[in-house]
Amino acid sequence: NAGVTQTPKFRVLKTGQSMTLLCAQDMNHEYMYWYRQDPGMGLRLIHYSVGEGTTAKGEVPDGYNVSRLKKQNFLLGLESAAPSQTSVYFCASSYQDQRRGYTFGSGTRLTVV
Amino acid sequence: AQKVTQAQTEISVVEKEDVTLDCVYETRDTTYYLFWYKQPPSGELVLLIIRNSFDEQNEISGRYSWNFQKSTSSFNFTITASQVVDSAVYFCALSDAYSGAGSYQLTFGKGTKLSVIP
Repeated sequence: NAGVTQTPKFRVLKTGQSMTLLCAQDMNHEYMYWYRQDPGMGLRLIHYSVGEGTTAKGEVPDGYNVSRLKKQNFLLGLESAAPSQTSVYFCASSYQDQRRGYTFGSGTRLTVV
Repeated sequence: AQKVTQAQTEISVVEKEDVTLDCVYETRDTTYYLFWYKQPPSGELVLLIIRNSFDEQNEISGRYSWNFQKSTSSFNFTITASQVVDSAVYFCALSDAYSGAGSYQLTFGKGTKLSVIP
């Protein structure tokens, strides 16, 4: 089915470890986003990309890096995981035309111990 | 910067009651889009509605209805005759062009957790 696919769905990391979350979309969307969801905080934007090879910081970018080498993929990296990065991470994508809405992945639950 | 406020953190209603979820937004842009998402216990985000800033007509979809009032910067969501399956966290969100970098960004409220009691 067309949509946004996130891998992995669950992950437990030890403090200081690194990992990469992968987001893939097959809808030819120009824009892609990474959000984190924490209890009582809603979803907050980490980084986003308006096209292949371009990325920009969102509201809470510290401790994360991103890359968009291909239009369909958007990677979120944690170089040295901290317990404060325990969260549910959502990837989303959209056309430039906002009337067509955003498509979200099913989320990645990350626990840093 | 844009901001979305959902003042109700949690609401509990008895099945078949009507319930309204409030959403107030702030933006400097004249063109923007408003969204409501439902997040059931399974965790996925389900889009319920998109509304652009130039369309102030209220909308009804089955038991769901939305009241958009530009004068008060509000976009409230009403569920009529609530059901247990409506139990979820509901997010209001705003997308406008005033985020810079040539990109719209979706800004979420903190969500309202609705519990429908049988």
